[in-house]
Amino acid sequence: EVQLVESGGGLVQPGASLKLSCVASGFTFSDYWMSWVRQTPGKTMEWIGDIKYDGSYTNYAPSLKNRFTISRDNAKSTLYLQMSNVRSEDTATYYCTRRQPYFDYWGQGVMVTVSS
Amino acid sequence: DIQMTQSPASLSASLGETVTIECLASEDIYSNLAWYQQKPGKSPQLLIYYANSLNDGVPSRFSGSGSGTQYSLKINSLQSEDVSIYFCQQNYDSPFTFGSGTKLEIK
Repeated sequence: EVQLVESGGGLVQPGASLKLSCVASGFTFSDYWMSWVRQTPGKTMEWIGDIKYDGSYTNYAPSLKNRFTISRDNAKSTLYLQMSNVRSEDTATYYCTRRQPYFDYWGQGVMVTVSS
Repeated sequence: DIQMTQSPASLSASLGETVTIECLASEDIYSNLAWYQQKPGKSPQLLIYYANSLNDGVPSRFSGSGSGTQYSLKINSLQSEDVSIYFCQQNYDSPFTFGSGTKLEIK
């Protein structure tokens, strides 16, 4: 059974940094592109970016490219999202997804709240 | 960026009815269109990919159609468990954009 389990969310102050993790199981992690998608409290969905199966290539939404970094550790079957200089508009639930190129599996999501 | 215009924003229908949700892309996306279902308090789940391919385990009362810029999701014989928000998403060109969602309720 494919499972994606995110962690690392919480309350963070504006301007701070935060790193989310996603542990994958039930499939060969190193064979798949992976993505991060977020959903605002108003339910708007936004693709953040993705990473090639071997970690050699990343692609980001232009509006987030300068502040967010996606990486992976295939030995640990783990996907990461490094968020820097966070803003109130980054408040959202963040999902780890497997990319096919459609998103065929989603994690349970982790909430990030940016507030002072 | 490719804009995805989804309609209606909300929909209320009776059990057993057939409903249709539409998604219009701002340019041709060559059937690179997926539909997701998000039940209350849950993560989205893939329903349809490549416009009309049913994901494993999805009931056959769900179907997708369309081409070019116009796509639709049809739900036949509406069931209570279909109460959800439905999203379309294009995976033709980066950034991969979503529709704004359709909230489906039972009358």
